[in-house]
Amino acid sequence: DTAVSQTPKYLVTQMGNDKSIKCEQNLGHDTMYWYKQDSKKFLKIMFSYNNKELIINETVPNRFSPKSPDKAHLNLHINSLELGDSAVYFCASSEGPQSANEQFFGPGTRLTVL
Amino acid sequence: AQSVTQLDSQVPVFEEAPVELRCNYSSSVSVYLFWYVQYPNQGLQLLLKYLSGSTLVESINGFEAEFNKSQTSFHLRKPSVHISDTAEYFCAVSDQGDYKLSFGAGTTVTVRA
Repeated sequence: DTAVSQTPKYLVTQMGNDKSIKCEQNLGHDTMYWYKQDSKKFLKIMFSYNNKELIINETVPNRFSPKSPDKAHLNLHINSLELGDSAVYFCASSEGPQSANEQFFGPGTRLTVL
Repeated sequence: AQSVTQLDSQVPVFEEAPVELRCNYSSSVSVYLFWYVQYPNQGLQLLLKYLSGSTLVESINGFEAEFNKSQTSFHLRKPSVHISDTAEYFCAVSDQGDYKLSFGAGTTVTVRA
């Protein structure tokens, strides 16, 4: 069974569209994250939720809106997509929010905005 | 917030040769240090971490890293690499008590026969 899964794996869309990426973890973890990995492979935290509560909200355009319907799910909705949003988006989870905890990453969603 | 510098963006190495990947971080009172590995087309996996105690930490597949507080470094080493070690390696740091990890830009290790 996949521990952290994301859908879709690939997403190709036009500028201006709205799209969502979904993430689910079956590890029983309390904390989930969204990261953005750019074309130079630089990885940056975007959001983190602990028990459905937002605890990290980095400087991200408000076109990006995370939603956590329950502890096992964290979705990312992106409005009015721009060329610069093209990247690989990784979901991750950990037992708790403390940075000492190992983070388990999903396989990534490669978003291409044309 | 921490910043992390991985000094080598690409490291080509022959099979069975040693490899060292360098990582330096900005100074802080107390930190947690991590190395994550990303195999092609996969998510990141934890390789090893330093939280406290012995400054030398090891992974199950032969990697080790040493925390050097005076040099603010956490270099990763393996005495003999395999083809399967071809991957992207990320150093990450956080302040103790913080929620966030700061990642370095990654080092691409390519192992050739």
